[in-house]
Amino acid sequence: AQSVAQPEDQVNVAEGNPLTVKCTYSVSGNPYLFWYVQYPNRGLQFLLKYITGDNLVKGSYGFEAEFNKSQTSFHLKKPSALVSDSALYFCAVNYGNMLTFGGGTRLMVKP
Amino acid sequence: EAQVTQNPRYLITVTGKKLTVTCSQNMNHEYMSWYRQDPGLGLRQIYYSMNVEVTDKGDVPEGYKVSRKEKRNFPLILESPSPNQTSLYFCASSPTSGSPHEQYFGPGTRLTVT
Repeated sequence: AQSVAQPEDQVNVAEGNPLTVKCTYSVSGNPYLFWYVQYPNRGLQFLLKYITGDNLVKGSYGFEAEFNKSQTSFHLKKPSALVSDSALYFCAVNYGNMLTFGGGTRLMVKP
Repeated sequence: EAQVTQNPRYLITVTGKKLTVTCSQNMNHEYMSWYRQDPGLGLRQIYYSMNVEVTDKGDVPEGYKVSRKEKRNFPLILESPSPNQTSLYFCASSPTSGSPHEQYFGPGTRLTVT
């Protein structure tokens, strides 16, 4: 069975600083990995995905993620955080016809 | 506008009273799914459907039913709701052709069962 772990419940970062939200996964075979963001009282929005190819994936709003097969990780990154990036972030792995999510990480960007 | 809609957005009900949460998408997607979101647990998949008349259990199907009679609609049915089904529910859809696609989520339905 596949699983996803987001080891940090909350990440705090100052505006303008780089941010990293961590994700590790466990799946048999090739992983298809996703990041979604949830703003208050909203549904989830897709940020980026890794299917195959380049280990550095670029997505929406200046976010990117680095796929590391040996460490089974897919960390979300952004070079310069904005206050408006404050939200709940979910990592997910697609396996077969199902999508399994991590527990979520709340990102707080302070002015 | 391409979207997934859910109704109602908020629902308070009592134990045992049957309810249905509707989900509709206008993107002609084959795949539709229901999730529940609980603090610290992320989203857990309840049921999914690969196409009309094809449904399968997700990780937490107990206490729920679904049907897919039309491509655009995928209602979630709670025949006898219990307090442990109090949660935030999301419907999602995606195409199925080609490589794995991102899912498009509805705005959520907050259900409280007393």
